[in-house]
Amino acid sequence: RKEVEQDPGPFNVPEGATVAFNCTYSNSASQSFFWYRQDCRKEPKLLMSVYSSGNEDGRFTAQLNRASQYISLLIRDSKLSDSATYLCVVNTEGTYKYIFGTGTRLKVLA
Amino acid sequence: DADVTQTPRNRITKTGKRIMLECSQTKGHDRMYWYRQDPGLGLRLIYYSFDVKDINKGEISDGYSVSRQAQAKFSLSLESAIPNQTALYFCATSDLTGVTGELFFGEGSRLTVL
Repeated sequence: RKEVEQDPGPFNVPEGATVAFNCTYSNSASQSFFWYRQDCRKEPKLLMSVYSSGNEDGRFTAQLNRASQYISLLIRDSKLSDSATYLCVVNTEGTYKYIFGTGTRLKVLA
Repeated sequence: DADVTQTPRNRITKTGKRIMLECSQTKGHDRMYWYRQDPGLGLRLIYYSFDVKDINKGEISDGYSVSRQAQAKFSLSLESAIPNQTALYFCATSDLTGVTGELFFGEGSRLTVL
């Protein structure tokens, strides 16, 4: 079993739709969680950190479920510019070890 | 200008050649990392360094070596390149004291080994 697993997609959604991605992790000692966005052939960039209580940044909402060991990303009112690959990243505090999921590809269609 | 700069951005080379990928950063971060990205495999850690005197192997260090010449510079070498080292390579930095633990990536170096 991979340490961090994501559905690779692609998720093809129309503009304005709401879409949700999940990511599961296997190490119960994991303490930091992130969603990164990666455009084709570009570097990953932090979209948002994921906090225990859940957090929201504009149209993006991230949730953490420690009991079931998954994090989620919800995108509301999808824009064409949201088309990208979304990487789930998990870190155990105090270590070097950032574990990356393989990414979920999103295509927002006009 | 980018805070994390990688050179070269693209390189085509032949099997057996020595290749160096360079990374420099202006963020003042202590921690630097080298990752490679392959389709379907996600980013995998090659080497990491927490300061100039600290070098550590990651999960896929075989066939690679690194040098931390200064706080701002971290180079990755392929002593004798082979075709399965064809990949997109990323350098990244993070702040030891940062609350979020965010990784900041360079723009990537695309390496093709023929």
